[in-house]
Amino acid sequence: NAGVTQTPKFQVLKTGQSMTLQCAQDMNHNSMYWYRQDPGMGLRLIYYSASEGTTDKGEVPNGYNVSRLNKREFSLRLESAAPSQTSVYFCASSEPQPNTGELFFGEGSRLTVL
Amino acid sequence: KQEVTQIPAALSVPEGENLVLNCSFTDSAIYNLQWFRQDPGKGLTSLLLIQSSQREQTSGRLNASLDKSSGRSTLYIAASQPGDSATYLCAVGNDYKLSFGAGTTVTVRA
Repeated sequence: NAGVTQTPKFQVLKTGQSMTLQCAQDMNHNSMYWYRQDPGMGLRLIYYSASEGTTDKGEVPNGYNVSRLNKREFSLRLESAAPSQTSVYFCASSEPQPNTGELFFGEGSRLTVL
Repeated sequence: KQEVTQIPAALSVPEGENLVLNCSFTDSAIYNLQWFRQDPGKGLTSLLLIQSSQREQTSGRLNASLDKSSGRSTLYIAASQPGDSATYLCAVGNDYKLSFGAGTTVTVRA
């Protein structure tokens, strides 16, 4: 079972470059999420998509855009990368609450912005 | 805004000792609470999910309790093993979003 798949796993960018992180899930979940994880700060929600065709801002959306391409895929785009966006990015999916709401994560994408 | 706190930030115990990990949250209007395990350089693996109507969940050596009124959850790991060494995170669900604590890093010494 693939679960949640993220690409790329590692990326190094220069300040000002753009890139897109890809995420796909094969569990037929309606909801998908992008989080970032920084040392000592836990995970913070960047954007989420409650269902296909909808996206909403989370806690730290500035500098990011998202696209819910279809039910399976949810991408995160950095238009002009900044060193403050150096982080580990996690994609996740779930059935929406008040259903189970159990969250399943990908392996993460480590991004370094120089 | 939901605030989730995990204390202690780090814990080191000898093999065989029981582990007690704490999680507290400020807004008791939650749908559920989930405990995760994270190994270094890896993603998060779900351990236990407790719905808001439940008081506890058990899986093998793991038991998690939930007290919504006091805004607390506790994860118990019985008879710890070196393979239990990892970071444990709790997350509480409000609406469509989960809010995470910073985690407790556990080291089990052989």
